[in-house]
Amino acid sequence: NAGVTQTPKFQVLKTGQSMTLQCAQDMNHNSMYWYRQDPGMGLRLIYYSASEGTTDKGEVPNGYNVSRLNKREFSLRLESAAPSQTSVYFCASSDRTSGRIEQYFGPGTRLTVT
Amino acid sequence: GDSVTQMEGPVTLSEEAFLTINCTYTATGYPSLFWYVQYPGEGLQLLLKATKADDKGSNKGFEATYRKETTSFHLEKGSVQVSDSAVYFCALSSNAGKSTFGDGTTLTVKP
Repeated sequence: NAGVTQTPKFQVLKTGQSMTLQCAQDMNHNSMYWYRQDPGMGLRLIYYSASEGTTDKGEVPNGYNVSRLNKREFSLRLESAAPSQTSVYFCASSDRTSGRIEQYFGPGTRLTVT
Repeated sequence: GDSVTQMEGPVTLSEEAFLTINCTYTATGYPSLFWYVQYPGEGLQLLLKATKADDKGSNKGFEATYRKETTSFHLEKGSVQVSDSAVYFCALSSNAGKSTFGDGTTLTVKP
């Protein structure tokens, strides 16, 4: 049982390049989330998916797109990376239907945009 | 909207000292409350939770009580260890399922 996995662990991009961050969970959770973590700013929600086939914007969605590929996978795409998107990105999942509403986090992707 | 305010850090303590990290929240309805811990280079992991007023969450010697009257969920531990050095996040989850996190408090415990 791997929990929440993310790839890649580290990435360096040049301004204007694109990339997709991958996330998968094996806990059969309905809800998945993407956050960014910046020093002194806690976690900010980028996008979330309450269930397969649905996605909604969070607090800071500009410059990002997401795809809920199936129940297991939720990817985050940067179409044209900017230095302001340098951050640590975390994927998380939860399962409200079981009553366990806490979130389970992946290990993070550390992205630098130069 | 929902918000979480937690004690600013960093906090530096000696081993075996008493720890308190304050957390207050603003939310509509009756949220569930959480403390998460983040060790260096890792993602967040749940430390403890409370789902209704007056509940006490506890784990690994840490405790927090859901106080509706003061809208607080302060984290305490009677005797910290070096291995407790980490960043601690207070969070709430509303009926919509999303969570709101505080900015995190960095704890360093010195031997």
